Amino acid sequence: EAGVAQSPRYKIIEKRQSVAFWCNPISGHATLYWYQQILGQGPKLLIQFQNNGVVDDSQLPKDRFSAERLKGVDSTLKIQPAKLEDSAVYLCASRDWAGPLRNTEAFFGQGTRLTVV
Amino acid sequence: AQSVTQLGSHVSVSEGALVLLRCNYSSSVPPYLFWYVQYPNQGLQLLLKYTTGATLVKGINGFEAEFKKSETSFHLTKPSAHMSDAAEYFCAVTLFPSGGYQKVTFGTGTKLQVIP
Repeated sequence: EAGVAQSPRYKIIEKRQSVAFWCNPISGHATLYWYQQILGQGPKLLIQFQNNGVVDDSQLPKDRFSAERLKGVDSTLKIQPAKLEDSAVYLCASRDWAGPLRNTEAFFGQGTRLTVV
Repeated sequence: AQSVTQLGSHVSVSEGALVLLRCNYSSSVPPYLFWYVQYPNQGLQLLLKYTTGATLVKGINGFEAEFKKSETSFHLTKPSAHMSDAAEYFCAVTLFPSGGYQKVTFGTGTKLQVIP
């Protein structure tokens, strides 16, 4: 099966500019995650969708970050305006929904490496 | 709150030597535990997972991990390191907060270097 697709792979922008990332999850996966991975750290969850609804966005800096998954399939993550500390790899992951309390594997995309200069 | 601690941000082993990457977790309820591997400029790939049942879990590429509840540990091992094992490894714990949706927390990662 096709994996999680992300684009672009790399992006360099100046601070205060805007940027958007796109994610296409595995077909049929209801759960979608965006993670931020700063160099030398583990991935940090930014936002979690279940279909087109937000389940958890407690660690999303909402003053500058936004995300949507309008049709419950593709998702975009936007940063506006970007700061130097936003330089990181942004990972998208998706997971099949097997019901409450059922554990399934999350599949990750290759990520988008953002450099803010 | 759940958390994961990986001891050692960098581990070096000789090719053919035992690989041991340490992970300790903190969880108020029985956890589900994972190990992921990340190769340079790649996403995360699942190595193995523990949910319930047998505490010794075997994964891909010859890796295995043992869930030890008394020690709150889930260390990753491989009997004989191969050059292709050089990568960064992440331990992760998942819980089910209210609503039943899985939430995954990652450790800070351990970078494995294999010396020829």
